[in-house]
This record gives sequence, C-alpha cells and structure tokens, in this order.
Amino acid sequence: DAKTTQPNSMESNEEEPVHLPCNHSTISGTDYIHWYRQLPSQGPEYVIHGLTSNVNNRMASLAIAEDRKSSTLILHRATLRDAAVYYCILRGGGSNYKLTFGKGTLLTVNP
Amino acid sequence: EPEVTQTPSHQVTQMGQEVILRCVPISNHLYFYWYRQILGQKVEFLVSFYNNEISEKSEIFDDQFSVERPDGSNFTLKIRSTKLEDSAMYFCASSDRTSAYNEQFFGPGTRLTVL
Repeated sequence: DAKTTQPNSMESNEEEPVHLPCNHSTISGTDYIHWYRQLPSQGPEYVIHGLTSNVNNRMASLAIAEDRKSSTLILHRATLRDAAVYYCILRGGGSNYKLTFGKGTLLTVNP
Repeated sequence: EPEVTQTPSHQVTQMGQEVILRCVPISNHLYFYWYRQILGQKVEFLVSFYNNEISEKSEIFDDQFSVERPDGSNFTLKIRSTKLEDSAMYFCASSDRTSAYNEQFFGPGTRLTVL
C-alpha cells in the first residue's frame, strides 16, 4: 500500500471547523483515499472515502487535491465527541482485503 | 443500525493457555477480518476470511492463530498457546463486499491480557 503522512496531533476548539491534512505523494491512479477514526477505547470507524472528486457525507467532507497527492478531511463544526485519532488510508486494487493503518492524527477538541 | 459485536470485552489468561475470541459480524456481510492493537501502537491487520477460507494473512498470523466461522453468525479467532506479547486489543471487522472503496465495520474489541 502507498504510504500516507499525517501530523501527529492537532487541536481545535468546539464548534469550529477542523482541517486534517494527509500527504500521499506516491498514490497510484487506482488508489482510493479512505478516512477512519478511532474514538478513545473503541474500534476504528469509517468516516469517508473518495477517488478524485471532493466528497461530502453526514460526518465530514473530503477535499482531494487536483494531483491527488494530498487530501484534507474537513469536520465542519467540531464537537467534543470528535476527539479521536484520524487515519488516512489508501486502498488500491492490489490490497482490497486489508486496511493498513498508520499512526494517524490525534485530534484534541477544546470546550 | 446493525453493528459488529465481540465477546468477551476483556479476557485474562495465563501464558500458554488457549483463548478463543468471538465476533458476530453484521448479518448480510460476507467478508470478515481480525486486527489487533498493542497498547499505544498502530492497528495491525491479522487476517481476512471469505467463503470459509483465509483470503489474506499477515506475518503476525502464524501457526498459533486460527480463524473459524463455526456457524452462520459467529467468527472466531483462536490463539493456541498465548504469549505475553499477544496482549492487545483485538478487533473484528466485516464488510458486505471487498473492493478498494467499500467500508469495513469494526466491533468494539476484546482486550486480551496474558499474564
């Protein structure tokens, strides 16, 4: 799987937007960009995924750079419940079965 | 909303003992996975399972590990002779198909402590 790079930690205030960056300069044309998060003492949870176009769902938005070498997960209004480790993961045709987790970004949300 | 469940939530065992961790995947899902997370470390893939056989396994998944779908609802991970380094959170996951774009649904995990 192609490698991703994320900041170790980020901090946000409640009710404010959060932009979580991910670099994936070696992404291949068939790799999908996935985001999962892991709340404290819980299993990972799917957030969103995309290929080339920006994506929105009820949890977040995903902005993908035109060259696809980076992406940004956007939480429009952070809540305390959004405090978690966020993982950016690439999945391509050769590794459909597994998710390969990195260290992710620990998001702290201040009240 | 359907969810993946795991039992027990916490298992304590003596080194050398066998343990079986149980998972009930989402009912219409066909692909099943086990991951583990040692305290303070990354989530690591162990094995994937489809159509009653292992699809892929990592180097962690050695002969001490086995998986089984004994009936239509359960998916189990067995560790034959536990070691201290097997202490970790074990997460089961399932998905309705496998592709580069489908999501996996994770259970809450079983904390395994080997003494």
